[in-house]
Amino acid sequence: KAGVTQTPRYLIKTRGQQVTLSCSPISGHRSVSWYQQTPGQGLQFLFEYFSETQRNKGNFPGRFSGRQFSNSRSEMNVSTLELGDSALYLCASSFGQGYQETQYFGPGTRLLVL
Amino acid sequence: GQQVMQIPQYQHVQEGEDFTTYCNSSTTLSNIQWYKQRPGGHPVFLIQLVKSGEVKKQKRLTFQFGEAKKNSSLHITATQTTDVGTYFCAGFGLGSNYQLIWGAGTKLIIKP
Repeated sequence: KAGVTQTPRYLIKTRGQQVTLSCSPISGHRSVSWYQQTPGQGLQFLFEYFSETQRNKGNFPGRFSGRQFSNSRSEMNVSTLELGDSALYLCASSFGQGYQETQYFGPGTRLLVL
Repeated sequence: GQQVMQIPQYQHVQEGEDFTTYCNSSTTLSNIQWYKQRPGGHPVFLIQLVKSGEVKKQKRLTFQFGEAKKNSSLHITATQTTDVGTYFCAGFGLGSNYQLIWGAGTKLIIKP
């Protein structure tokens, strides 16, 4: 079974631009969660989508948004990029219907904002 | 909101020494999961504990879930260089709408 894939793997943008990141979950998984990871900051939860609906949301500004398609693929968008948005963005997938499910992470997209 | 505190943030050990990281939740958890992230990698699931007081072992790793299901620990005996990385705990709170709450992670560093 193919794992979680994320594209692109690396990205360089300048302040004020916007960016879209993509995540393809494991086949059959309907939940996709997004996390931001900066050095020494752990995993900061952005949001989770399940069956095309945002089910949970973290404490990030409205510049961070996401969506999920009918095939469970998900995208996240960051508008008006700031230097502080430089981070590793990870997505994780699961079936999303039980409290004993584990999350499977993709390799991440490393975003650098100049 | 619900929080999971994880300590310490970093631990430096000599190879062969033991390592322990602790997680404490502000509320009762339905279960606790542990993940490991190697340097430059992504978190990978290690194990899940579900029952109150549960203890599980994976070779040199021992995982415990507290009786009140609010705390957990991971202990590594005789660390090796392959153990280097950041260890995260994460749990589902009761009635949490399927949102995993993550600890901040403990970074294990082996002294040269």
